[in-house]
Amino acid sequence: AQTVTQSQPEMSVQEAETVTLSCTYDTSESNYYLFWYKQPPSRQMILVIRQEAYKQQNATENRFSVNFQKAAKSFSLKISDSQLGDTAMYFCAFMNASGGYQKVTFGIGTKLQVIP
Amino acid sequence: KAGVTQTPRYLIKTRGQQVTLSCSPISGHRSVSWYQQTPGQGLQFLFEYFSETQRNKGNFPGRFSGRQFSNSRSEMNVSTLELGDSALYLCASSLAPDRGSPLHFGNGTRLTVT
Repeated sequence: AQTVTQSQPEMSVQEAETVTLSCTYDTSESNYYLFWYKQPPSRQMILVIRQEAYKQQNATENRFSVNFQKAAKSFSLKISDSQLGDTAMYFCAFMNASGGYQKVTFGIGTKLQVIP
Repeated sequence: KAGVTQTPRYLIKTRGQQVTLSCSPISGHRSVSWYQQTPGQGLQFLFEYFSETQRNKGNFPGRFSGRQFSNSRSEMNVSTLELGDSALYLCASSLAPDRGSPLHFGNGTRLTVT
């Protein structure tokens, strides 16, 4: 079974600064997908970024980028130029690519507070 | 394109009752998953449906059940409610699960059991 670990329950960052959220996972699979989701107080989970395990290049989406270290099973999220709207819970997620079915395993989440 | 729609948004039930939650996926999405979210446990996988078939189930008791209809809409049922069932229940749909398509979530149903 896969596990996803987010070791930072809460973090804060000054507006316009950069913050990195950590995520590690454990799997014996070689082909999989990793995601970061954001859940603001409005509670709807929103996809932030997606990474395919077989791609070495780190995914980026505007101010959001990841540092994917496959051998270390690490998948951290970097948020640059933090904005007040980035305040939310952030969840790291693992999706197995085999088997044809979809079961996503989530980390416990990191609560990020952006301070004005 | 409309997003994932969950109804109702809030529910208050008493112990022993049963409840049915509804989820309409994004048009064209045939995979629907359900998750239970609690502060202490995070998101726990309940089950996943694809083309009316349950393909995967999490570690929840048999009181939790679900189904999917031919139009991909899904319902989740919890019978004999317990206080510990109080949680946010999230539904998510996906376009192509076998190609790593991301989950698209609804706003959730907040269930409170008293």
